Amino acid sequence: GAVVSQHPSRVICKSGTSVKIECRSLDFQATTMFWYRQFPKQSLMLMATSNEGSKATYEQGVEKDKFLINHASLTLSTLTVTSAHPEDSSFYICSAVSLKSSYNEQFFGPGTRLTVL
Amino acid sequence: AQSVAQPEDQVNVAEGNPLTVKCTYSVSGNPYLFWYVQYPNRGLQFLLKYITGDNLVKGSYGFEAEFNKSQTSFHLKKPSALVSDSALYFCAVRGPFPRDDKIIFGKGTRLHILP
Repeated sequence: GAVVSQHPSRVICKSGTSVKIECRSLDFQATTMFWYRQFPKQSLMLMATSNEGSKATYEQGVEKDKFLINHASLTLSTLTVTSAHPEDSSFYICSAVSLKSSYNEQFFGPGTRLTVL
Repeated sequence: AQSVAQPEDQVNVAEGNPLTVKCTYSVSGNPYLFWYVQYPNRGLQFLLKYITGDNLVKGSYGFEAEFNKSQTSFHLKKPSALVSDSALYFCAVRGPFPRDDKIIFGKGTRLHILP
């Protein structure tokens, strides 16, 4: 149980285009999902907290107009990188908090590798 | 503010030997502590957690960690390393209320198990 999927696993796009990444909780409902990015050989940095039915909360320094987050249902959150540039190339990982968890345990997706040419 | 420190960028251990990956933390209140492992181009896999109770926590793949409150440490250990244990390991701490849902990760320690 507690499986989180991400789609796509890998995407290559041209500079200036937008890319959507999906994060799904497959066997549980999640009111809260998190989006992280990870640069090569670095740790995960929290970008934003996504709450079902409300606006996302962004961490300091993260451009909310560039990284659009939508959490339309209890099993799906999407991250759209708008007008992507090479510096946005990174590994994006989502996590989801189960409604049934007694201490807000996060379950992580497998990640999406974004390469912007 | 809460933080996590992993003092070693890389740890090399011979196969069959015991391994330790170090982690210290700074958090107000009672900490929720975690260890995750990441294989190349993969997401994070949960290894173990400390919430409360017994200071020695046993987790997946034969790993364990000891919570030491006086030393504010949560070192990851395994009695006998396998080559397949080679990966990137992250120590993490959950934030205190009201952001007790937010996880702060250490910078990671790369573990190399030598055949």
